[in-house]
Amino acid sequence: GEDVEQSLFLSVREGDSSVINCTYTDSSSTYLYWYKQEPGAGLQLLTYIFSNMDMKQDQRLTVLLNKKDKHLSLRIADTQTGDSAIYFCADLYSSASKIIFGSGTRLSIRP
Amino acid sequence: NAGVTQTPKFQVLKTGQSMTLQCAQDMNHNSMYWYRQDPGMGLRLIYYSASEGTTDKGEVPNGYNVSRLNKREFSLRLESAAPSQTSVYFCASSEGGGGGFEKLFFGSGTQLSVL
Repeated sequence: GEDVEQSLFLSVREGDSSVINCTYTDSSSTYLYWYKQEPGAGLQLLTYIFSNMDMKQDQRLTVLLNKKDKHLSLRIADTQTGDSAIYFCADLYSSASKIIFGSGTRLSIRP
Repeated sequence: NAGVTQTPKFQVLKTGQSMTLQCAQDMNHNSMYWYRQDPGMGLRLIYYSASEGTTDKGEVPNGYNVSRLNKREFSLRLESAAPSQTSVYFCASSEGGGGGFEKLFFGSGTQLSVL
């Protein structure tokens, strides 16, 4: 079935790197996404990766995709207090034009 | 820029009451979605509409109905609310068209409590 899984919590020290992991089950995924949700707000697209890529870098963000293991990760370099949020991994099921989200990882930053 | 507008922002219902959550987008998007967000469960897809005139069930459709009134509007109805439907509800839209990149734009959410 369709499933996207993530761990629920991550705590890192300010200035360190954060790595948020995600696994998915759909073997026909075309795009995989990372969304960010700040307190009291809806989700906003942070970054995405096309399934024929294995890495994408965008300033402090690095997305790694291991298609064989169906594993996606988001690395945030030099984590800042403004990065505190819930991060959702999501998978586009192109056969049905729908997007399935993981449970979200709450990132908290320690001083 | 309005984007995706949801109403109401907050609602308290008694068990058995009915209500409709409204959603409208002004981006001329083809696809619209309703999600619910529960602690530890992330976002779960309730229903979606890939294009005007079509609706399909998502992961958790039981207890809900939807109407794609026109291209702009997609409403979610609870016919007989239950405490298990206490949640934060998000409407979203995307350009649609199938097979390609989809970026979802989200509304700010409706916090619903069923007592």
